[in-house]
Amino acid sequence: GQNIDQPTEMTATEGAIVQINCTYQTSGFNGLFWYQQHAGEAPTFLSYNVLDGLEEKGRFSSFLSRSKGYSYLLLKELQMKDSASYLCARLSGNTGKLIFGQGTTLQVKP
Amino acid sequence: DSGVTQTPKHLITATGQRVTLRCSPRSGDLSVYWYQQSLDQGLQFLIQYYNGEERAKGNILERFSAQQFPDLHSELNLSSLELGDSALYFCASSATRGGEKLFFGSGTQLSVL
Repeated sequence: GQNIDQPTEMTATEGAIVQINCTYQTSGFNGLFWYQQHAGEAPTFLSYNVLDGLEEKGRFSSFLSRSKGYSYLLLKELQMKDSASYLCARLSGNTGKLIFGQGTTLQVKP
Repeated sequence: DSGVTQTPKHLITATGQRVTLRCSPRSGDLSVYWYQQSLDQGLQFLIQYYNGEERAKGNILERFSAQQFPDLHSELNLSSLELGDSALYFCASSATRGGEKLFFGSGTQLSVL
């Protein structure tokens, strides 16, 4: 997905913590989004980072390092309903278009 | 419910045919984006319109075209369809010309047989 790399699949246990990494091309970078997508459904917004550091929102947190072209999504206290695809997306230029990675399919097991 | 409406939800057609997908953005949103999602390609950006004008173009084939009407709804036209065009087509909207989160519709599943 246009120089955005994230793992294809991950598996974790209910109640645990999982970190999904994303690396991206830094040129023309204007912000980093994370979306959640259940199979066959629309992507839904999780987080947005434009400055370095950690943004926490309930069980989900997202981190950004602009100099390294690196972000991660941290999911705590995993629930079965968190089984989904997690999409890392880079805001490209000033048009507002998002360039998505291939997504990481997370399977939460009991 | 994101507030973005896409019709139809499912479309089955044959190779060589032409179809039109429709999208109504959230109330007040001026930008509309079209994305194609296939199993092996992920979400691919096709095109963006802002207040009726084309604003950004992605990897959209020449057989595909889109427009945004004065009432801000948008249509994506796919012609001379090929088997490889089978995919989930999403429309998304945002309030301004860009830089904020996108709200996605539930998509149109296109099957070309």
